[in-house]
Amino acid sequence: EAGVVQSPRYKIIEKKQPVAFWCNPISGHNTLYWYRQNLGQGPELLIRYENEEAVDDSQLPKDRFSAERLKGVDSTLKIQPAELGDSAVYLCASSFDRHNGYTFGSGTRLTVV
Amino acid sequence: GDSVTQMEGPVTLSEEACLTINCTYTATGYPSLFWYVQYPGEGLQLLLKATKADDKGSNKGFEATYRKETTSFHLEKGSVQVSDSAVYFCALSTGGGNKLTFGTGTQLKVEL
Repeated sequence: EAGVVQSPRYKIIEKKQPVAFWCNPISGHNTLYWYRQNLGQGPELLIRYENEEAVDDSQLPKDRFSAERLKGVDSTLKIQPAELGDSAVYLCASSFDRHNGYTFGSGTRLTVV
Repeated sequence: GDSVTQMEGPVTLSEEACLTINCTYTATGYPSLFWYVQYPGEGLQLLLKATKADDKGSNKGFEATYRKETTSFHLEKGSVQVSDSAVYFCALSTGGGNKLTFGTGTQLKVEL
């Protein structure tokens, strides 16, 4: 079974530039999550999708961040414009139900310079 | 709100030493509890889980017991190896929201 696939693995951009991250979850996992992990910290939820519906986006900075999950499968997270403080690892995860935990992708390490 | 507190690291041990990483939680309802491991340069991997009180999760020689009375889920291993060096995260999930709340992580370094 293929795991959660994310791309790119690394991204370096200048501040004020846009950036996008892509995630392909495990087949059959209806729930998809985007987390942000700052250096030395645990991941924090940005947004959760149930199929194509965003059901928890309370932690998503909506002035510059946006996300979509078309057809309830792949998802894209976008930042426009990026700020220095957005440097972090962006993790995508998917799950079948809460009792079995998530499967995480390898993440995208974003560096804003 | 829900929260997870882990012991601060780094924890440095010699190979074959015993490991305990403390984790306590605060949650509404009855959470499911997890330990995740993150090896250098990689994403998080589920290590073990427990879904109700007194359950013991185990995997790769690691184990943790869901203690409702002390709201704890301490991670233990009897004999660590150099390959166990990683960051370990305790996490919980409550209600129907499927949201995972993580601790800040504990770095483990195992030396020869």
